[in-house]
Amino acid sequence: EAGVAQSPRYKIIEKRQSVAFWCNPISGHATLYWYQQILGQGPKLLIQFQNNGVVDDSQLPKDRFSAERLKGVDSTLKIQPAKLEDSAVYLCASSLGLAGFDTQYFGPGTRLTVL
Amino acid sequence: AQSVTQLGSHVSVSEGALVLLRCNYSSSVPPYLFWYVQYPNQGLQLLLKYTTGATLVKGINGFEAEFKKSETSFHLTKPSAHMSDAAEYFCAVSDPSGGSYIPTFGRGTSLIVHP
Repeated sequence: EAGVAQSPRYKIIEKRQSVAFWCNPISGHATLYWYQQILGQGPKLLIQFQNNGVVDDSQLPKDRFSAERLKGVDSTLKIQPAKLEDSAVYLCASSLGLAGFDTQYFGPGTRLTVL
Repeated sequence: AQSVTQLGSHVSVSEGALVLLRCNYSSSVPPYLFWYVQYPNQGLQLLLKYTTGATLVKGINGFEAEFKKSETSFHLTKPSAHMSDAAEYFCAVSDPSGGSYIPTFGRGTSLIVHP
């Protein structure tokens, strides 16, 4: 079974530029998560989708971050414009359903450096 | 709002010694509890989880954790550390009280194993 795929693995941009990350979850998984993991901290949930609907985006900085999952499968997360404090690893995860006890399967992450 | 506290950002043990990583949570009702492990340059991987039933949970690689409601704790243990256990460990909580299961992660504990 293929795991969660993310691209790119690394990205370096200058502040005020825009960037997009892509995630393809495990086939059949209804729920998709985007996390921000700053160095030395645990993952912070940015947005949670079930199929193509948003379950929670309360911690997403909506003035600069956006995410979509149009067909209920893969997803993109965009930052425009980027700030220095956006430097982090962006993790995508998926789970079979929306139950709180469902295991999340994580991709390898995208390491973003904003200069 | 729920929170997760992992005591100690770094834990150092000798190979063969007991591993104890601490996790305390705050939640209005007993939550679902998880331990994930992250090896360098990899995504998070589930070690074990507590949902309901037996409070002592066994996971992969010889790890286990015990849910103690009275102490609001879910500490992770392993009787004998191996060099390959060196990684970052995250405790996570999924609180069912709000109607949707928003996951919250602790800051992580780095396990260092020395010969």
